[in-house]
Order: sequence, then structure tokens, then C-alpha cells
Amino acid sequence: SQKIEQNSEALNIQEGKTATLTCNYTNYSPAYLQWYRQDPGRGPVFLLLIRENEKEKRKERLKVTFDTTLKQSLFHITASQPADSATYLCALVYGGATNKLIFGTGTLLAVQP
Amino acid sequence: NAGVTQTPKFQVLKTGQSMTLQCAQDMNHNSMYWYRQDPGMGLRLIYYSASEGTTDKGEVPNGYNVSRLNKREFSLRLESAAPSQTSVYFCASRGLSLSYNEQFFGPGTRLTVL
Repeated sequence: SQKIEQNSEALNIQEGKTATLTCNYTNYSPAYLQWYRQDPGRGPVFLLLIRENEKEKRKERLKVTFDTTLKQSLFHITASQPADSATYLCALVYGGATNKLIFGTGTLLAVQP
Repeated sequence: NAGVTQTPKFQVLKTGQSMTLQCAQDMNHNSMYWYRQDPGMGLRLIYYSASEGTTDKGEVPNGYNVSRLNKREFSLRLESAAPSQTSVYFCASRGLSLSYNEQFFGPGTRLTVL
């Protein structure tokens, strides 16, 4: 069965530094992968999508890479701010047109001022 | 637009009781989903509806039923609640797009079964 792993440990970094979060998957070849942000007590919010034929995608201070050989996606937040503190979820799309998602357990990012 | 709304926000049930979680979206989306989120498990798909009038099982459907009442509304029913169904439940929706497939999530329902 498909399996997605994200850093189980919380990631603590200093404000202004770059945060790098990892998403590894097995037993699957997704057409694309999504990243979501989740704040405590709230539903996930979509951030970025990257397709299998895209090596890298950027949106403002966010950057996502997708290595289908390594079966890994990296999510970077540059010039991090305390407001970036949240849990970040990686999700693989499967099921063709039904667009079902398999989520990782998420990585808690804490940016210290 | 309110996006995706869910009711209730919190609920406590006793084992064996039944209840229905409500979800509605005002974005004219075709697809709707129900997930549960448990510590250390991530979000898991319970049921989904690809379009009005259709529903199908996800990864963890046992103990649940769903109804796609119309294009806007997708409800999740627990017929006989069990402590293992204590969780946070999220509803999501997705529109038809050739270039984007993001899902929009509601705020969640926090359910405790005693």
C-alpha cells in the first residue's frame, strides 16, 4: 500500500533562516503532489502543487521540489517568520479523476523570533 | 463566499448513539470528501463523492455512511458510534479544473465518543 513519511519530529528554526521539510513516499508513482498548511484547530489550506514532470515550483517565499527517482519532495520556506509556524502536510494524489489524496502525518514547524 | 462549512463544531456522544455531521460548500464544486484526522495517523479518507448522486468508499469507511444530498451538501452519518470513532472530521471539496486540483477544507468537527 502507499505510504508517505514526513519528519515526525518538530522542526525548530530561527527567524530569517530557511526551513526545509521532507516528504518521502513508497509504492507509488503519483502524477502530482500537494502541500498544505494546517494551523491548530483549523482545516488544512492548500499551498502548492507540483507535477511529476516539474522539478521545482515557487510561490513567493515557498519552494517545492519533486524528485520522482528518489520518491521525495522537499518544501522550503525562505526568510522564515514566526507566522510561518504551523503543521505542513504533504499529500499524494491518486485515483485519477476522483483526485483522492493520501496525506502524510505532517511536520510541525516552529519559527523562533 | 463562506467556502466549506461544517456543523457541529464539537460533539460528545455515548457509545451506540447515532449522529449526522453536516457539510456544505458554496463554490459550485463537483467533488466532496470526508476525512478523519487522528494523532500520528494523518488525514484518512472515509468517503468521497465525485459528483452529485455518486458516492464511494475511501480508505476507512467502516462504521460510516454518507449522503450527497445535492451539489452543495455532503453528510456523514455514524449509525452506532464507537470510541474508536473519536476523531476530528474534515469535509473538503474540489472543483473541476484542468490545471489545479486543490481541495478546500472546512473547519472540522471534533467528535468524542465515550
